[in-house]
Amino acid sequence: EVHLVESGGGLVQPGGSLRLSCAASGFTFSNHLMNWVRQAPGKGLEWVASIKQDGTEKYYVDSVEGRFTVSRDNAKKSLYLHMNSLRAEDTAVYYCGKGIHMGVWGRGTTVTVSS
Amino acid sequence: DVVMTQSPLSLPVTLGQPASMSCRSSQSLVYSDGNTYLNWFQQRPGQSPRRLIYKVSNRDSGVPDRFSGSGSGTDFTLNISRVEAEDVGVYYCMQATHWPPWTFGQGTKVEI
Repeated sequence: EVHLVESGGGLVQPGGSLRLSCAASGFTFSNHLMNWVRQAPGKGLEWVASIKQDGTEKYYVDSVEGRFTVSRDNAKKSLYLHMNSLRAEDTAVYYCGKGIHMGVWGRGTTVTVSS
Repeated sequence: DVVMTQSPLSLPVTLGQPASMSCRSSQSLVYSDGNTYLNWFQQRPGQSPRRLIYKVSNRDSGVPDRFSGSGSGTDFTLNISRVEAEDVGVYYCMQATHWPPWTFGQGTKVEI
C-alpha cells in the first residue's frame, strides 16, 4: 500500500527555519515527481513546490521562491522542504503529494510561525 | 496561471438526494496529448485530501460509484448521485495540465 508520512513541523519564530520531511513507501519513489501542498487554517489548498524524479528540476509558488528549497533523496525514498525566513503567513498544514496528478497524500505536518 | 473557480462555495444537501458542483478554468485544460488533466479531491473534516476523480471522469480505486465527474475544455462537474453522511466535507478541483503552477479551486463545502 502506498504511504506518505510527513514530519518536522512545529512552532518557529518569524525569520526562523524549519526542515520538513516526507517518507514514502509502497511505490517506486524515484519514478515520480513529488509535491508539497499547504493549507492555512480554515483556508483552501495551495501548491507550494514540486521536484522532478531526478531532482534536476524544481518549481515553487512565487510567495516562497528564494526562501524555500525542495529536495529529495531517492535512495532513502524521502522528500524534503527546507524553509527559511519563515513568515506568519507560512503557518499551515503541509502535505506531500505523489505525482503530477497528486494521487496520494500524506496526513500532513503542522507549521506554526509565531513569536 | 490557470485560475480555477468553483461554485457554489457552500452546498447544503439532503441525505439520499443528488448533489452537483461546478469547476471552471480560465483556459482550456486539454493537453497536447489530447487528455484533460482535471482532478477532484475530497477533504473530510479533520482529514487530509483524497483524490476521487482524475482526468475528468475516472474514479480512483475504492471511490464509490455514486461519485461521477464530467465536462470538457473549461467546464467541469462533480456529481454525487445519492448523498451519504460520509460525503460531508470540502471538494476541490485541481488542474494538472498547465504546470507549474498546479492550481486548485477555492473548494465547495458540502453540508447536511
